[in-house]
Amino acid sequence: DTAVSQTPKYLVTQMGNDKSIKCEQNLGHDTMYWYKQDSKKFLKIMFSYNNKELIINETVPNRFSPKSPDKAHLNLHINSLELGDSAVYFCASSQSGALSPPLHFGNGTRLTVT
Amino acid sequence: AQSVTQLDSQVPVFEEAPVELRCNYSSSVSVYLFWYVQYPNQGLQLLLKYLSGSTLVESINGFEAEFNKSQTSFHLRKPSVHISDTAEYFCAVRIMNRDDKIIFGKGTRLHILP
Repeated sequence: DTAVSQTPKYLVTQMGNDKSIKCEQNLGHDTMYWYKQDSKKFLKIMFSYNNKELIINETVPNRFSPKSPDKAHLNLHINSLELGDSAVYFCASSQSGALSPPLHFGNGTRLTVT
Repeated sequence: AQSVTQLDSQVPVFEEAPVELRCNYSSSVSVYLFWYVQYPNQGLQLLLKYLSGSTLVESINGFEAEFNKSQTSFHLRKPSVHISDTAEYFCAVRIMNRDDKIIFGKGTRLHILP
C-alpha cells in the first residue's frame, strides 16, 4: 500500500534510447510532480500537474515529456537519452489547499545512461 | 530571484552531541518553509514546516527549527543526535506566487560519528 510508487527503481540504458518512468499515487492528491536529483544531491523541479493539467514546466529539454492520464498517475517519457540525463528522478504528490501541504515522495528511479 | 542556501554540504558530529544545520533563503514575497530528510536509497520525507504562528516548530523525533524573518533563516537543530539521524537534510521554501512551487536547497549530509 505504498503511497507514491515509481517503476522501475533502476534503469540502465544506452545513449539515444527512449525510456519511460511510471508514477502512481494512491493518496487521492490532485497535484503531482517530477523532480531530478543530480549526482551532487541537488534537487530540482521539472514538472508539476494539477488535475491532469500542466502547471509548472521548468526549463527542461523537450526530449522530456510528462503524461498524466488521470490525477493518480504522472509518467515521464524521455527521448534520445543523453549521458547528462543520468540522475535519480523522484515523483511526488500533494493536495492543493489554502495551507501549504507537504510533498509525498516516491523512492526514486535511478537512471544511468551509458 | 528566489533561492535557498544551505551553507554546509556536510556536517560530521559525534553521537549524542548537538547539531545545527543552517538554511537561509531569499524571496521578495511570502514563503512557507520546510525541512525534508532523505535516508539512504529513499525519497524525501517531510521533517517539519513553518507556515505561520509560532516561529519555533518541532518534529516528533527531536528536531526543531526556528524561523527568523529578519535574518531570513530557518536553521534546523537537535540537542542530541543518534546514529539513526544519518541522512541528507534539505531545506525548502514554497514561494507564494502564481507558480506556487517549492525550491530546495542543495542539501546537507549529516554524518554521525560513533
